[in-house]
Amino acid sequence: EDQVTQSPEALRLQEGESSSLNCSYTVSGLRGLFWYRQDPGKGPEFLFTLYSAGEEKEKERLKATLTKKESFLHITAPKPEDSATYLCAVHGSSNTGKLIFGQGTTLQVKP
Amino acid sequence: KAGVTQTPRYLIKTRGQQVTLSCSPISGHRSVSWYQQTPGQGLQFLFEYFSETQRNKGNFPGRFSGRQFSNSRSEMNVSTLELGDSALYLCASSLGGVTYNEQFFGPGTRLTVL
Repeated sequence: EDQVTQSPEALRLQEGESSSLNCSYTVSGLRGLFWYRQDPGKGPEFLFTLYSAGEEKEKERLKATLTKKESFLHITAPKPEDSATYLCAVHGSSNTGKLIFGQGTTLQVKP
Repeated sequence: KAGVTQTPRYLIKTRGQQVTLSCSPISGHRSVSWYQQTPGQGLQFLFEYFSETQRNKGNFPGRFSGRQFSNSRSEMNVSTLELGDSALYLCASSLGGVTYNEQFFGPGTRLTVL
């Protein structure tokens, strides 16, 4: 069964303190791993798609990487506006249109 | 391009009633997926429609149903509402077809069942 586990559940950082969020997955035939950001009361906002091990994507202070078993979302010198819940999801070959989500990591960045 | 829109944004219903939620995908997107989000279970897949056909279905009871129209707009219906159906219902659109494209989410409909 396809499964996604994110850690930690919650993370508190000081502004400028870099860190990483982890997403471990088991899936039959990975067809894509996706990172989303979700603010309270809003829908998830798409950040990155990764398709194969070794791939990396960057956007501002965020960098996503992928291995055969996990993905990391690195946050460099975060700002308070980066505070949100970060969700990881996978798309397997046997499940068209279905994303399997992890429970998310809630990040709080204090000034 | 306009994003995914969902209506209504908020709904309050009582047990036993039924509800219909609407989703308009991004222009040109042919696939619409629906998800239920609760604090305990997180985001769970309900079903996906592509070209008016249901291609995939999650593990939800038959009270949850959906459909897609020729313009790719989609609706989901929940009949005989239960207290546990209170949740944020999200729809997401993607290009669809044979590739596994990223899904773009709408703002959601917050359903409260009393």
